[in-house]
Amino acid sequence: GQQLNQSPQSMFIQEGEDVSMNCTSSSIFNTWLWYKQDPGEGPVLLIALYKAGELTSNGRLTAQFGITRKDSFLNISASIPSDVGIYFCAGPPTGNMLTFGGGTRLMVKP
Amino acid sequence: GAGVSQSPSNKVTEKGKDVELRCDPISGHTALYWYRQSLGQGLEFLIYFQGNSAPDKSGLPSDRFSAERTGGSVSTLTIQRTQQEDSAVYLCASSLGGGVVGYTFGSGTRLTVV
Repeated sequence: GQQLNQSPQSMFIQEGEDVSMNCTSSSIFNTWLWYKQDPGEGPVLLIALYKAGELTSNGRLTAQFGITRKDSFLNISASIPSDVGIYFCAGPPTGNMLTFGGGTRLMVKP
Repeated sequence: GAGVSQSPSNKVTEKGKDVELRCDPISGHTALYWYRQSLGQGLEFLIYFQGNSAPDKSGLPSDRFSAERTGGSVSTLTIQRTQQEDSAVYLCASSLGGGVVGYTFGSGTRLTVV
């Protein structure tokens, strides 16, 4: 079946640092989505990408749709404590079901 | 309602018992999805309802799992003879017309099988 490989699996951040994560798929996507999940909540959509090469921002978040259509990247600039949570990439290979990556857990450095 | 509502928020059950998880989607949303999230894992698709069409059950892991959607609104996910590996967060989402970008997730039901 469809597989999405998301990395890193987890990372510690210090307030003010920039953060990068990426996702690769085994097949071509026509849509890439990035979600964030806070503890005890369902995922919430952050950014949707529809075209190869597309670069879209949402505040301090920037996501890119890779030109091969098999990868996507999410960057968070100048991180703040409320950025902690789990970030998921997702995409529909066909139809209406989302396939999710394994998630990147962002934590604050002690 | 304003959002997707799931109940209960937490459920602890004994191995071998049956459980029912409820999802109340956003009013007017015709598509409803169930996903499972095991500890530290991504989301695993279980089942998809769209309007009056036959549901897509391709993600259900075994015949102990079933789901129904009554009147095109509320959905119930039933797990029979629960096993410890069924422990997970079960997330429901709905969307208007099945558009993937329009997914709204509920807060999930955390199921623990002891």
